[in-house]
Order: sequence, then structure tokens, then C-alpha cells
Amino acid sequence: DAGITQSPRHKVTETGTPVTLRCHQTENHRYMYWYRQDPGHGLRLIHYSYGVKDTDKGEVSDGYSVSRSKTEDFLLTLESATSSQTSVYFCAISEVREEKLFFGSGTQLSVL
Amino acid sequence: GNSVTQMEGPVTLSEEAFLTINCTYTATGYPSLFWYVQYPGEGLQLLLKATKADDKGSNKGFEATYRKETTSFHLEKGSVQVSDSAVYFCALGVLYNQGGKLIFGQGTELSVKP
Repeated sequence: DAGITQSPRHKVTETGTPVTLRCHQTENHRYMYWYRQDPGHGLRLIHYSYGVKDTDKGEVSDGYSVSRSKTEDFLLTLESATSSQTSVYFCAISEVREEKLFFGSGTQLSVL
Repeated sequence: GNSVTQMEGPVTLSEEAFLTINCTYTATGYPSLFWYVQYPGEGLQLLLKATKADDKGSNKGFEATYRKETTSFHLEKGSVQVSDSAVYFCALGVLYNQGGKLIFGQGTELSVKP
């Protein structure tokens, strides 16, 4: 299995608070992604990174920011959490762009 | 724009039945196509892929053929097992100058009964 660790695995927070999710990889892959999974929507891309300090927006980036200061870590921040951001968040990595993504186990986030 | 449409689930089959999960796509250019599988409580895993028209991807008894003329990539398996119960996602790959991403369908849940 690809070495991807997401933390925390579960989090409950209140509306308006900032939240940071962490993705850590041990594969030295260049590309990293954050997706959210919601019933009826499949997976939707939030942000992705194509190198250290190189990031770009996905299709549902509003309300989220990311940072990648090291190859192995990709952080997703909800600046002010809202109930609509209750979801399961998956981090993914790939060695070659848009090819064979490896996924983490996910973070279940509940915003009350 | 780019999009993927899958048949709605859940799909419920008896063991050893034939499986088809339909997937159609809209894309500019010639994307790669993928099927991912998600077992309960886990992240997604790549099941198979095809990179050009008429390519057939296969793995673990599953097959899908990249059909450019019908813009489809249907997933098939001749004889399903209980262990195939999972959610299946069709996806297409889109390249950008700096990178690329996958666009996923909404997923189709498969339940196989003994």
C-alpha cells in the first residue's frame, strides 16, 4: 500500500472555527490532491499541488486553502468551517500527473 | 466541459451474475479513462484504466473498453462474488500545463448477495 496518512481520521467542530487537515506521504510523489466525497456527487477536487509551494484550485475550492511547504505534507485548511463542509475528505497522491492516484483512508469531518 | 455520468445505484446482484455498470463521458481531447473501487471504510483504489480509443483495461476479472464513438467506458464482469460488493467510480483524466486531475462520476454501489 502507498504510504499516505491522513490526520485526524475523525473530527467534529463548530461552525465558524478554522480546521486543518493533514496529508502525509512517504512515497516522494510529486502530485498531491484533496477531494471531498458527498452522496450523489462522487468525489470533487478541492485543490491540488504539482510541487512544493505549487498549488492550484479544483472545482470546489471556495472556503478552502492549502499549503505545501515540503514534498511529503499537504495541508487543507477550512478558514471558517460551515455545515456545508461536513463531508469525507480524501487525500491522494500520484507520481505522474493524472495517472493512477493512491488514496488515503479519509477524514470524516462534521461541522455542527 | 469535462464530465462523467454513471448509472445510478444501488445495483443488487446474486453471486455469479453478470455485471455491467454504465459510464459515459464528455471531454475535450482524448482523456485517459479509469475505474476506481471503494470498499467500505476505505479510500479508492485503481481497478483498471485505458489510455486511448479501443483500449481494453482489465483486472481481477473486470473489464472495460474505451469506446470513443459512443463516449463510453462500461465496466463488466462475467461472474461477481460477494467480495466485489463496493462502490465503483468511473473517472476521466484531464491534463493541464502544470499538472492534471481526475474527474469522477457519482459512483455506483454494488451489493452482491450469496
